[in-house]
Amino acid sequence: DQQVKQNSPSLSVQEGRISILNCDYTNSMFDYFLWYKKYPAEGPTFLISISSIKDKNEDGRFTVFLNKSAKHLSLHIVPSQPGDSAVYFCAASGTGTASKLTFGTGTRLQVTL
Amino acid sequence: DTGVSQDPRHKITKRGQNVTFRCDPISEHNRLYWYRQTLGQGPEFLTYFQNEAQLEKSRLLSDRFSAERPKGSFSTLEIQRTEQGDSAMYLCASSRALLQVSGNTIYFGEGSWLTVV
Repeated sequence: DQQVKQNSPSLSVQEGRISILNCDYTNSMFDYFLWYKKYPAEGPTFLISISSIKDKNEDGRFTVFLNKSAKHLSLHIVPSQPGDSAVYFCAASGTGTASKLTFGTGTRLQVTL
Repeated sequence: DTGVSQDPRHKITKRGQNVTFRCDPISEHNRLYWYRQTLGQGPEFLTYFQNEAQLEKSRLLSDRFSAERPKGSFSTLEIQRTEQGDSAMYLCASSRALLQVSGNTIYFGEGSWLTVV
């Protein structure tokens, strides 16, 4: 039962353009959502998060949008840079779960020159 | 501010041997988590501690797995009688326990790769 889904295993974007990574969830108890970036053989690095009381959170080049009614969130990276090439994981936690995270399967982003 | 550190980073062991991983969380983080990640999957929750108390264990954590956090600081994850299916990256993470029950950001270590041959 995949409660957090990232349906695009990979994405290729040109440098300078916008990267949009999508994530869907099924558990309506989730109320906190996070994006992590992961390089090979390293642990996930926290990027940005959003609480369910908001619909947008911005941090520099990274913006996360949350559509609760659609149970959908997206990460926008503008402008994309070659160093952004990595695997991006969407994760969610819910009230009463002590911040235990449920992860998606990841989207591999490649930013080309 | 040092991050979460894990040791060893890589471990190759023969099937049937025991292995132990150590995790040092970010100082003053009272929650510590263990996750496991296999190729093509996201990290999967194994267990977590609040201070020295182990408060939750996943069904993934078979009887061969044991985790401890004796003084509420560092933690160890031991796998007994390793099997080839145990080959994975074992991730440790930590966070503060804030007043709200959810909404805490979890910070991960570099991971410990286990290969069982």
